Parts: sequence; structure tokens; C-alpha cells
Amino acid sequence: QSALTQPASVSGSPGQSITISCTGTNSDVGNYKYVSWYQHHPGKAPKLMISDVSNRPSGVSNRFSGSKSGNTASLTISGLQAEDEADYYCSSYTTSTIWVFGGGTKLTVL
Amino acid sequence: QVQLVESGGGLVKPGGSLRLSCAGSGFTFSDYYMIWIRQAPGKGLEWVSYISGSSSYSNYADSVKGRFTISRDNAKNSLYLQMNSLRADDTAVYYCARVGAYSYGCDHWGQGTLVTVSS
Repeated sequence: QSALTQPASVSGSPGQSITISCTGTNSDVGNYKYVSWYQHHPGKAPKLMISDVSNRPSGVSNRFSGSKSGNTASLTISGLQAEDEADYYCSSYTTSTIWVFGGGTKLTVL
Repeated sequence: QVQLVESGGGLVKPGGSLRLSCAGSGFTFSDYYMIWIRQAPGKGLEWVSYISGSSSYSNYADSVKGRFTISRDNAKNSLYLQMNSLRADDTAVYYCARVGAYSYGCDHWGQGTLVTVSS
């Protein structure tokens, strides 16, 4: 049950675009279209931003988009805004019928 | 609207037990898989356990298997996590979350309850 691999931190200026990667294996990211992305502001409940690789729940800004290629999924945030500064986690369903999270990426808006 | 409210956290000694509860409202509780997720201080999110709507299916992370038991009472719209043989590394904020009806993402989360395991 190894965690998915995310960069520890990314940063960007307001208005720019950033991409956060999430690398797994053939047993999780590579085997299913069940990758989710969560935004977590410290002290608050995490928020689902993307489900099933690229589906955006109702109410989530279209500045957030997701994709997947092989064992790596990606979250792209375009038109960065100050309120996007948060921790972001990817998650995938696995062949062991469990979920696994990435280690998290701290996004800093410069 | 959908609400999930956790309770039952607190300070417990190593080797002790604790039972967490999660009360759901604003949706048909029995229709949804539910999940427990935790976050240790300064660490990332860690998936702990899931249970199907009818309680037919469940599973656990290796780190808690054999010590934690997930259950639910659909008549009370409640989810539980019985935690036994607690260790210092179980110290974390524990969240309950609902798995989406047509996806594998957790579309609603509670605010979390803090469990501290310390002597």
C-alpha cells in the first residue's frame, strides 16, 4: 500500500497555470479511471476538486482540470488565484480494493 | 444539505480503545459507501477504511488491519470506527467522508475529530 508520489511543493504567480503530478503504479492509477484530487486548507475539511480523473463536481471552478496518462495523473489549475493556495492530494482506487493517497503538494501563490 | 459530523475523539493511553462516530444527514445514508480517513500532525491524508452501504463489503489499510473495525447503523444514519490497541502513531485527525454515488471520489467530508494517543 505505497502512497502515490506527488511533488512536495509547487508555486506560481496569480494568473499563471500550474500542474501537479501524481504517479502510481499499474495497481492503482494505471489500472483505473478512479483518480480524485482534493484541496485542503489547514483546519478545514478537504474538498473534492476532481473525481474519476477528469470530472469536476458541481460548484468547482472550471479553472481546475484533471488528466491521466499511464501511471501518472495530473491536476492543472489555470488562472491562479490567491485562494487556491492550499495542500492538494491525489487519491486512487486500487486493485487491493482500497484507496491510496498521494503524499500531498503544497501550492504557494506568489 | 449534506452534513457529516464526527465525534468521539480524545486522549487515550497506548493500548487503549476508542470508538468514533459519524452522524450523517441530508441524504439517504444507506445508499452510500462511507470512508474513514486520517491525518497525523504534519503529515498527509491516509485512507483508513471503507464500508459499503449495506455493510456487505469493507476493507482496511494494513496499518490498522486487525485493530480497527468499521461499522454502520443505517437506521441511525451513523458510521463508526472502533479503534483498539491504539498506538502513538494512530494520533491524528480522523475524518469521515461519503463516497460519491457515481464516482470513487469522496464528495462530502466531516470536519474531523482529533485522537491523541499518549501516556
